[in-house]
Order: sequence, then C-alpha cells, then structure tokens
Amino acid sequence: KAGVTQTPRYLIKTRGQQVTLSCSPISGHRSVSWYQQTPGQGLQFLFEYFSETQRNKGNFPGRFSGRQFSNSRSEMNVSTLELGDSALYLCASRPPFRTRYIGHQPQHFGDGTRLSIL
Amino acid sequence: GENVEQHPSTLSVQEGDSAVIKCTYSDSASNYFPWYKQELGKGPQLIIDIRSNVGEKKDQRIAVTLNKTAKHFSLHITETQPEDSAVYFCAARSGGSYIPTFGRGTSLIVHP
Repeated sequence: KAGVTQTPRYLIKTRGQQVTLSCSPISGHRSVSWYQQTPGQGLQFLFEYFSETQRNKGNFPGRFSGRQFSNSRSEMNVSTLELGDSALYLCASRPPFRTRYIGHQPQHFGDGTRLSIL
Repeated sequence: GENVEQHPSTLSVQEGDSAVIKCTYSDSASNYFPWYKQELGKGPQLIIDIRSNVGEKKDQRIAVTLNKTAKHFSLHITETQPEDSAVYFCAARSGGSYIPTFGRGTSLIVHP
C-alpha cells in the first residue's frame, strides 16, 4: 500500500507570494491533517479535514487555509508568505475509526514539503 | 488544551546502551499515546503506541510505559544501534479531540 505522498518535496518562494502544497493520503484514509514543523516550535497542528470538511483548526492566521477533495486528496495554501513561514509542512492521514478504540488510530505522515522563503 | 513536555532534548549514548525518553502530559482525559521516529529528510514514522488501559507495551527492543496517576510515559530502547539515531517524538491524544499534541522531540545519537 502506498504511503502518504506530498508534493512538491522542496519549494523556494519570496515574501508576499502564495503557495499551494498537495497531499495524497493512504488509500482508504479519509482524514487528513496538516502540521508545520520548525526547529523552534516543533510540530504544530494546522488543520484537519474529513470528508471534505474542516473538522479541527490550530492556532494559525487566516493566511493558512486548506481544502479536501472528494477523493480525500488535500491541498494547503499559504498566502502573503512571510519569512517565518519557512518550515517543513507535513501531511498525515488516519485510517477510519474502529468502534472500540475511537480516536486511537495513529496518524501516518508523509515526508513533507520543505518550504523556504527568501 | 493538552500540553506535552518531553525530556531530554538531546540524548547521546554508546552503541549497545539503553536509552530512555520521558514525557509528561497535562490532560488527565488523554487516553492514547503514540511515539514517532523521524529520520533526516523523512516524515515521522509511528514506532509504538499505548492506550490508557495498558501500563506497558513491548515490541522487540522498544518498550513504552505509562503511569496515568503521575501523567507521564516513557520510551525505552535497549541495545541501541547506530540506525536508532533519529529524532523521537511523543504525543498524547485527549479523549475529546482526535488531534494529538506532540512533545518537542528528542534527538537520539548512538555512537558506534
């Protein structure tokens, strides 16, 4: 079974531009979450999508947005890029819940998109 | 919300030694605790997890222990090997949220 696929792997942008990152979850996974990883802040949750609906949102400004398509693929968009947006952006998908252990299914991460802002 | 503290931030051991990474959490409702290993240039990969109704879980050289009363859990790696060198993250998921809160990570270095 193919893992979580993120494209592109590397991206260089300049301040003020916008960027769109893509994530294809593991087949059968309908939940997709996005994280920002930086050396100073660690792994910070951005948002989660399930069945094309945003279900949870972290504490990030409105410049960060996302969406999910009917095939569960997800995109994340960052507008008006700032230097501080330089980070590794990780996508994770989760299998459907099993009745007995709702919430106990682990997330499976992709290898991320390294975004550098010049 | 949940807060997860992880220590140490860096751990250096000799090959063959044991390594222990400790995490504490704040929300007594947390009931699921995964551990992830992140190698350079890769995303975090799940290595072991434990539910709140279990005190200990082992998988070959890796074990996790959970003390719900003290709200802390630990990762134990025995007979460390150079390929164990990576950043390890603990996480805790509260019963009210499907989103785990991650610790800041521990950089484990295993010297041959």
